[in-house]
Amino acid sequence: DIQLTQSPSSLSASVEDRVSITCRASQSISNYVNWYQQQPGKAPKLLIYTASSLKRGVPSRFTGSGSGTEFTLTISSLQPEDFATYYCQQTYNMPPTFGQGTKVEI
Amino acid sequence: QITLKESGPTQVKPTQTLTLTCTFSGFSLSTSGVGVGWIRQPPGKALEWLALIYWDDDKRYSPSLKSRLTITKDTSKNQVVLTMTDMDPVDTATYYCAPTDARGGWFDPWGQGTLVTVSS
Repeated sequence: DIQLTQSPSSLSASVEDRVSITCRASQSISNYVNWYQQQPGKAPKLLIYTASSLKRGVPSRFTGSGSGTEFTLTISSLQPEDFATYYCQQTYNMPPTFGQGTKVEI
Repeated sequence: QITLKESGPTQVKPTQTLTLTCTFSGFSLSTSGVGVGWIRQPPGKALEWLALIYWDDDKRYSPSLKSRLTITKDTSKNQVVLTMTDMDPVDTATYYCAPTDARGGWFDPWGQGTLVTVSS
């Protein structure tokens, strides 16, 4: 199975801060990475697919980048509703795997 | 609008079999490329993919849980059923279902999830 390692595991930030989360894969996975946001007690929501494509309706302050083994989710100006846990997922091959999550706290 | 809802028991005993149903609307599992997957999340832990079934009845399972899982679909009822045998307390988790596409593989949107507790 392909392992995904997210860093940091948690971070503290303030409103309007720029935040970046890294996802590293145990092997090259091209651009087959997706990012999800999960707010406490809620189901995950898709933010970005194939590394850099923004899902329709997701604010443009969310951007994804990377290819190969290293990927980044960036929030350009953190908003109160962005405090949540973020997961990366690879769909390069079966089984699809998730990172361990990054919790963004105030 | 696509919606999904998971249903099933909230509690099962160790060694019992869990049966969960995902009932969905807004898409069809008879459409080429469409699939529905199950993902779980133990309390306070990360997401874990379990199983996936595609429109053509192709089925995929987590290698670590394959011997305990069965996924089926009823296209006419817009339902996908997941069974997991020999339940253990470590299987306590919120179980989600979500649609996917064979080309992309991402899950979107997700059902609200159902918490299953395994306890005697």
